[in-house]
Amino acid sequence: DAGVIQSPRHEVTEMGQEVTLRCKPISGHNSLFWYRQTMMRGLELLIYFNNNVPIDDSGMPEDRFSAKMPNASFSTLKIQPSEPRDSAVYFCASRTGGSAFFGQGTRLTVV
Amino acid sequence: GQQVMQIPQYQHVQEGEDFTTYCNSSTTLSNIQWYKQRPGGHPVFLIQLVKSGEVKKQKRLTFQFGEAKKNSSLHITATQTTDVGTYFCAGQNSGYALNFGKGTSLLVTP
Repeated sequence: DAGVIQSPRHEVTEMGQEVTLRCKPISGHNSLFWYRQTMMRGLELLIYFNNNVPIDDSGMPEDRFSAKMPNASFSTLKIQPSEPRDSAVYFCASRTGGSAFFGQGTRLTVV
Repeated sequence: GQQVMQIPQYQHVQEGEDFTTYCNSSTTLSNIQWYKQRPGGHPVFLIQLVKSGEVKKQKRLTFQFGEAKKNSSLHITATQTTDVGTYFCAGQNSGYALNFGKGTSLLVTP
């Protein structure tokens, strides 16, 4: 298995634009997590899914953020409109009850 | 909600010195996990502790879970330059979520 795959690896966008981050979890993993990492706030849990169903989205900063998991092999995190304070590394992770496996992350820069 | 606090935030040691990072949860945990993130990388799973008072070792790394299942520690004996990175604890209670501490960044000078 190739592990958790995230795309793009880097994204630079202008303030106000829509940004979509993508994640392919490890096959067979039934839980998927989106985290945001910044120097100031560390690793913040944004949302997690279990069996494709959103369980807790209380970590999503505001309505500009949305996440979907249309099937077991794909998830998206969308920011619309993006703002400079959204600049961070966004990680997707999947697990099946044990350890979490992280993707390489998407480094988002909003200018 | 559950909060996981981790100290210290940074630690700078000479190669060969020992290192310890501590993790405290505001609630009782069902298990705690430890991860390591190299600079520019992503968190990588190290170990999971489940039982009260559990101690596990991985070569020079020793992991402990407190009796009350609210705290944990990671101790590295005789650090090496390859130990450089940020060490995170992640607590899980009854739900699915893993809540990460802010991590301890370890710098090892040769």
